Amino acid sequence: AQSVTQLDSHVSVSEGTPVLLRCNYSSSYSPSLFWYVQHPNKGLQLLLKYTSAATLVKGINGFEAEFKKSETSFHLTKPSAHMSDAAEYFCVVSEASGSARQLTFGSGTQLTVLP
Amino acid sequence: DGGITQSPKYLFRKEGQNVTLSCEQNLNHDAMYWYRQDPGQGLRLIYYSQIVNDFQKGDIAEGYSVSREKKESFPLTVTSAQKNPTAFYLCASSISGGQNQPQHFGDGTRLSIL
Repeated sequence: AQSVTQLDSHVSVSEGTPVLLRCNYSSSYSPSLFWYVQHPNKGLQLLLKYTSAATLVKGINGFEAEFKKSETSFHLTKPSAHMSDAAEYFCVVSEASGSARQLTFGSGTQLTVLP
Repeated sequence: DGGITQSPKYLFRKEGQNVTLSCEQNLNHDAMYWYRQDPGQGLRLIYYSQIVNDFQKGDIAEGYSVSREKKESFPLTVTSAQKNPTAFYLCASSISGGQNQPQHFGDGTRLSIL
């Protein structure tokens, strides 16, 4: 069975400072991992994905994430926060079984960016 | 532009009434999904379809029904059997149902009870 834990339900940073959103996962197989962003009353937009290639994954809008198998983590980072980054972020794990059912969403981290 | 269109954006249901949420995609994707999102929670899978005329129950299918008569369309019906239907409903699609395929999402329908 797979699971994903987003360690912080809320994160608040000042504009121009680094962002760190933490995600730990549990998977019986080689997982694929995704980060999505959701703005209010909108759907989810893919930020980046890890699919067993390079462990450091670069995404859109300056975000990146590092897959650390020994720590079962996939934390999302950005060097400098922008006001437009304020949104909810979801970490998602997908197992190697190939079934469309095997997609598990974290409960989300709400990012607030202070001026 | 290619994408997923959900309609309506807001929907109200009376007690004992069935309502249908529309989802259309022009991405030529084979797989489509319906999720339910409640405040403070992640997304939960209601139904999914990997090919036309075939669909499977997700984790919370009770009180919901779907059809997949066309590749582009995957409507969701919230029946009167769903006792707590107030939620944000998201439709998604992917090229296939494979593990590595990211899903593309519509902008959702917010359903409320009158």
